[in-house]
Amino acid sequence: GAGVSQSPSNKVTEKGKDVELRCDPISGHTALYWYRQSLGQGLEFLIYFQGNSAPDKSGLPSDRFSAERTGGSVSTLTIQRTQQEDSAVYLCASSLVSASGNNEQFFGPGTRLTVL
Amino acid sequence: AQSVTQPDIHITVSEGASLELRCNYSYGATPYLFWYVQSPGQGLQLLLKYFSGDTLVQGIKGFEAEFKRSQSSFNLRKPSVHWSDAAEYFCAVVGYNQGGKLIFGQGTELSVKP
Repeated sequence: GAGVSQSPSNKVTEKGKDVELRCDPISGHTALYWYRQSLGQGLEFLIYFQGNSAPDKSGLPSDRFSAERTGGSVSTLTIQRTQQEDSAVYLCASSLVSASGNNEQFFGPGTRLTVL
Repeated sequence: AQSVTQPDIHITVSEGASLELRCNYSYGATPYLFWYVQSPGQGLQLLLKYFSGDTLVQGIKGFEAEFKRSQSSFNLRKPSVHWSDAAEYFCAVVGYNQGGKLIFGQGTELSVKP
């Protein structure tokens, strides 16, 4: 596939459970981003990976949120002890080297998370 | 802190009419500016971007945008709207050397009347 893929497309979970969301970036893209889209907060940045550098976690809303990127490719966003306010669409994007910011980000279709 | 404001939450235009979606940003220097479109059930697609140079940029699907430094604006325009343009439009900014983290506006939902 040529684009960014995310799985699952939909996830329904119960409050208090842990969830893992997966992102497969475009091959060769060294930068990977997670964003969250919710009714109340709009589109907000969560975390950013660039090559082998330490990730920029400045957008993570709490310590229940974490992410890793294995082998510089696939990324997993983990939410522990989910809360109802975590319900949102989680979007992943990738781009070429982006330290300066002037590279297009390609977005995946998102994972819709519903916490009951 | 950087911010982006899209003053219009919802706009309705007639098919064939012209369109302008407003975007204002707050940033100390010239940022990188983007417009994305999100159709129902679809991911975000880049319409156009401004990094430097000519302040009028052309994008896909017949859209264009003009960067006006004096007004801190980057408004999106299209001369003649098609029904398929109905979607949500997001303006976004990235600060120089901010690692590409996009700061989005609240979005403008566009409806097209037949």
